[in-house]
Amino acid sequence: DAGVTQSPTHLIKTRGQHVTLRCSPISGHKSVSWYQQVLGQGPQFIFQYYEKEERGRGNFPDRFSARQFPNYSSELNVNALLLGDSALYLCASVRGQGLTGELFFGEGSRLTVL
Amino acid sequence: RKEVEQDPGPFNVPEGATVAFNCTYSNSASQSFFWYRQDCRKEPKLLMSVYSSGNEDGRFTAQLNRASQYISLLIRDSKLSDSATYLCAVNLGGTSYGKLTFGQGTILTVHP
Repeated sequence: DAGVTQSPTHLIKTRGQHVTLRCSPISGHKSVSWYQQVLGQGPQFIFQYYEKEERGRGNFPDRFSARQFPNYSSELNVNALLLGDSALYLCASVRGQGLTGELFFGEGSRLTVL
Repeated sequence: RKEVEQDPGPFNVPEGATVAFNCTYSNSASQSFFWYRQDCRKEPKLLMSVYSSGNEDGRFTAQLNRASQYISLLIRDSKLSDSATYLCAVNLGGTSYGKLTFGQGTILTVHP
């Protein structure tokens, strides 16, 4: 079975532009979470979606938004890009329900903002 | 105080050594705990879940100390291939079951 897939893997944008990142979870997994990882730090929670509804939001500005589609794939959108948005954006497929919270990450989308 | 804290290291150990990492968390109501391994410029991969009774997987042992609010990872007989960043992750509780809070990671380098 395929794991979590993300696209694009690498992209370069300039300040003020907009970016859309895409994610497909592991087959059968209904929940998707997005994380941002800057160099030298652990991943930071951005959003979680389950059954197309937002179930959690981290401490990120409104420039960040996301949605989940009926097939459980997801998009993360970032508007008005800043230099500080340069990071690895990770999508994670969440196994099960309850509080187990096992996450399986995709390879990530590495965003560079110039 | 950070919600989840790790010693960033780096830890430099020879092959065959035993090395241990600790990770402290701030919320006593935290529900679940994990160790992830991350290779350079790759995604984190789940290494172990951490159970109250402790658990072992080959050379790796994970333990939870709720009283002192920390988890630990012990690696025995270190291999060169163990060189990576080790991230602890904690579900701090609440309604978002998919949300994990990560430490900043501990860098391990195993040398010949």
